[in-house]
Amino acid sequence: QQQVKQSPQSLIVQKGGISIINCAYENTAFDYFPWYQQFPGKGPALLIAIRPDVSEKKEGRFTISFNKSAKQFSLHIMDSQPGDSATYFCAASNSGTYKYIFGTGTRLKVLA
Amino acid sequence: GAVVSQHPSRVICKSGTSVKIECRSLDFQATTMFWYRQFPKKSLMLMATSNEGSKATYEQGVEKDKFLINHASLTLSTLTVTSAHPEDSSFYICSAPTGGGDEQFFGPGTRLTVL
Repeated sequence: QQQVKQSPQSLIVQKGGISIINCAYENTAFDYFPWYQQFPGKGPALLIAIRPDVSEKKEGRFTISFNKSAKQFSLHIMDSQPGDSATYFCAASNSGTYKYIFGTGTRLKVLA
Repeated sequence: GAVVSQHPSRVICKSGTSVKIECRSLDFQATTMFWYRQFPKKSLMLMATSNEGSKATYEQGVEKDKFLINHASLTLSTLTVTSAHPEDSSFYICSAPTGGGDEQFFGPGTRLTVL
């Protein structure tokens, strides 16, 4: 019940295309869902996060879509660039606990 | 965003020795910090919660006598890997919430290699 399932495991997108990464969770008590970007040999950096009271949040080229009834959320990267090539992790937590359950990660490669 | 640092960034040690990794919050105070472990091309697994002024709490399956955590001040937590073995080789990452919301900031990680 504590798992967060993430797909796809890897993704190749042409420059300018849309990258879509999906996550699903089981624990309905989760109420904070961040997305992190990680480059090789570096720590994760927060991209964007959402709470269940909204269905979508957009920050620049990054958008989170949230479906509470389906217990799914996804990250959309618009106008993908080669510099976006990295591993992306979704996560879920109970607000205030700060204990994140991470998804398995998606390795994104954006072709120039 | 807030900055979390780790030291060292890389460490190589011999089997049987102990290694200390430091995690610092540079521009904020953190009463709680978290330690994660990440194997190559794998996800981050929470190891323990570091609590300033009290004992750390460990996740199921994590040996507390092997991974000693000390939260010495509001800006410093240390993870000591005792009697390290090759299977302890991994990327160790700490994180800290600023307390202003649910977001956390992660350190740059420490690559531990045990020979």
